Amino acid sequence: DTGVSQNPRHKITKRGQNVTFRCDPISEHNRLYWYRQTLGQGPEFLTYFQNEAQLEKSRLLSDRFSAERPKGSFSTLEIQRTEQGDSAMYLCASSPGAGSSYNSPLHFGNGTRLTVT
Amino acid sequence: RKEVEQDPGPFNVPEGATVAFNCTYSNSASQSFFWYRQDCRKEPKLLMSVYSSGNEDGRFTAQLNRASQYISLLIRDSKLSDSATYLCVVNPSGGYQKVTFGTGTKLQVIP
Repeated sequence: DTGVSQNPRHKITKRGQNVTFRCDPISEHNRLYWYRQTLGQGPEFLTYFQNEAQLEKSRLLSDRFSAERPKGSFSTLEIQRTEQGDSAMYLCASSPGAGSSYNSPLHFGNGTRLTVT
Repeated sequence: RKEVEQDPGPFNVPEGATVAFNCTYSNSASQSFFWYRQDCRKEPKLLMSVYSSGNEDGRFTAQLNRASQYISLLIRDSKLSDSATYLCVVNPSGGYQKVTFGTGTKLQVIP
């Protein structure tokens, strides 16, 4: 399967703990996105990478959130000092990068469902 | 004004009905548009791209109105399996690609 892969699928953690999620995009895709989705809402943009460069970060993202893509391949999203409001589905998506038209759809992974107790 | 707005629904329609969803966007320079489908507790999946001249894929028709800044999705002959949430997606112009999703419109097709 060469789709977008996310790990873990589910994560339950206690308030105040740190968590880290991983995303492996489709191998030839240069762009990688992180979204957060809560029940009844559409995916909310968190951040976006072009290769290893983090080009945009949502203003809604507090400094407890950090994302990296050190070698331009897989990415990690870390949440420090988790709060109950962080409970959500965290979705990763990728799309083709340079040389592709803007009309490139996103391909999503299965997501990581975080529950903060 | 939100960047992308959709009527959340739910739209409850009988099998065989035709249903249409609209989505408005605020950035007039937006370049590309998509409709995604999302089943309960699953990831969004691409349903279809939306082209300037309008496009059709089987029972699904997508249209773009740049002057009024909205896109639409028409589903003909609704099937029970069409029950899902339909997400409107907008790509901005320029070098960045902050792809923005609407909140989604929930469709329930009833027998």
